[in-house]
Formats: sequence, structure tokens, C-alpha cells
Amino acid sequence: ELKVEQNPLFLSMQEGKNYTIYCNYSTTSDRLYWYRQDPGKSLESLFVLLSNGAVKQEGRLMASLDTKARLSTLHITAAVHDLSATYFCAVGNSGNTPLVFGKGTRLSVIA
Amino acid sequence: DSGVTQTPKHLITATGQRVTLRCSPRSGDLSVYWYQQSLDQGLQFLIQYYNGEERAKGNILERFSAQQFPDLHSELNLSSLELGDSALYFCASTSGSSYNEQFFGPGTRLTVL
Repeated sequence: ELKVEQNPLFLSMQEGKNYTIYCNYSTTSDRLYWYRQDPGKSLESLFVLLSNGAVKQEGRLMASLDTKARLSTLHITAAVHDLSATYFCAVGNSGNTPLVFGKGTRLSVIA
Repeated sequence: DSGVTQTPKHLITATGQRVTLRCSPRSGDLSVYWYQQSLDQGLQFLIQYYNGEERAKGNILERFSAQQFPDLHSELNLSSLELGDSALYFCASTSGSSYNEQFFGPGTRLTVL
């Protein structure tokens, strides 16, 4: 059974600081997704990582994938308050397959 | 806006009742997934339909059922509701491309009293 673990589950950051969220998964997979969720809202797709060594960046967020280590990271650079949200990683496979989600990392950026 | 629509946004009902949640996928998407989000269980996959056919089942209770209609919209039926069924229910759709990127609807918040 595929399991996805994220850590930390809670993260309080000061504005301007850098930090990394980790996502480990238990079995081979060729698709890794990062989503953002604001309180009471839907999930917004951030990144789709499709191959070993894939790196994608959008603004202050950068995601990477190491399929050999079964690890993805979401790096936050110079955090700002607007990044406060819950971030989920999810693992899937090619084709029409369901996603398995981690428990999410609740990020709070404080002044 | 992901292009996936869900109705209703909120639903408050009593234990033992039955409700129907509705989802319309993005234009052109053939696959619909239902997920349940609760505080204790996190985001859990319930069931998937592809072009009207059931494709995969996850942790879906026997009291729950779903279907996808010829116009590709989907309905999730929850019956004999219990307090523990209170949760956010999301549907997601995908085009079926190799990316398998799933786009989520706004969700239906179900409260069972």
C-alpha cells in the first residue's frame, strides 16, 4: 500500500526566512504533485513533477523530485505572509489513477 | 477557478438522512474522482469514474455510492448518514493526459447533526 509522509506537519516561519517541506513516499511512483489549500477552500495545483531530478519553480516556491530516494521537497525562499496555507504532496502514476495524499503541512508565515 | 463545479457548497442534515452531491468536470475531462477531507483522516480517495464507468474504488463505505452520467457529470450519494460523515467532499477531474494532473472543485461541506 502506497503511503505518503510529509514533514513537518506544522511550520511557523518568520517573513524573509527560508525553509523546506519534505515528502517521502513508500513505493515506486512516477508522478508527484504539490497542492496548496487555503482554509475552507479547494486545492490549487502548484507543481507536477514527472521524472527523477525534476525541478520546478514558481515565485518563492521550488519543488524537486528524487525518485530513487522516493523524496520530494518544496523549498520556500524569503517567505511572505501570502504563502500561509496548507501544502499537500500527492503521489500517483501515469494514466487515470487516484492520488494518495500526505497529511499536509500547515505553514504560517509571521512578521 | 479550476473549471470543476460542485453543488451544493454547504449541506446540513441529520443523522440517518440521505444526500446527493453533484460534480461537473472541466469541459473535455472524462475522468472524475471523489475525495473526502476530514480532520482525522486527511484527504482520502473514495471512487473514480471514467467516461461513465467505475474505474477505481478507495475507502468508500457501503452506505456511499456514485455514478457518472452520459453528460459526464457525477453524483455522490451518501445514505444513513452518521456524525462521522461530516467532512469536505471534493471532486476532481482530469483529461487523462500523461500528466494526470487533477483539478479540484470548490468542495461541498457536509455537516451531519
